[in-house]
Amino acid sequence: QSALTQAASVSGSPGQSITISCIGTSSDIGRYNYVSWFQRHPGKAPKLIIYDVTNRPSGVSHRFSASKSGNTASLTISGLQADDEADYFCSSYTSSISYVFGTGTKVTVL
Amino acid sequence: QLQLQESGPGLVKPSETLSLICSVSGGSISSSSYYWGWIRQPPGKGLEWIGDIYYTGRFNYNPSLQSRVTISVDTSRNRFSLKLISVTAADTALYHCASHNSTVVTPGDNWGQGSMVTVSS
Repeated sequence: QSALTQAASVSGSPGQSITISCIGTSSDIGRYNYVSWFQRHPGKAPKLIIYDVTNRPSGVSHRFSASKSGNTASLTISGLQADDEADYFCSSYTSSISYVFGTGTKVTVL
Repeated sequence: QLQLQESGPGLVKPSETLSLICSVSGGSISSSSYYWGWIRQPPGKGLEWIGDIYYTGRFNYNPSLQSRVTISVDTSRNRFSLKLISVTAADTALYHCASHNSTVVTPGDNWGQGSMVTVSS
């Protein structure tokens, strides 16, 4: 199972919106509505911010939104804030009864 | 809120067995509400899902690792463990334990900070 493809880095200024893409295949993202997104600050445990493609866990900011089209999932961060500077990675359930992760995207707030 | 903490040797010799424990607080390992799993990240590489287990003992493993991995639950000590046999340098990684609500299909909605394991003689 190959990793999902993400851009290595994305940057934006405070207040702007950025979008991170996660490209998979018809065996994972394209087949299941089980895409998750995680945020990880350096030295901290990863934090689930999106599950089931579009759902936010309780306590996660509404500035995080997500969607899916075909084999590609996307995470949008609106009103970019300094604390949003972190690594973001996607994951999807797969036809192999397992999960696959994205390659990860480093978000920089300029 | 569940809290997970990994523990185990930081150095394992090639061909030996990697063993890690994840101690759970804030909830019961016997709860029907959670799955318990392991995820790893080799240095400079992406995350890899290893597998998970339900309190009933039902498990799922990554097909690429299933011949070498065992995840088990220790209800008496409220913890679960990972064993990976016949390790090589490729198994050097930061190992996270994680839990997820049984109604959510995700690798983890609650993660430990991770335990670094190096495979070297």
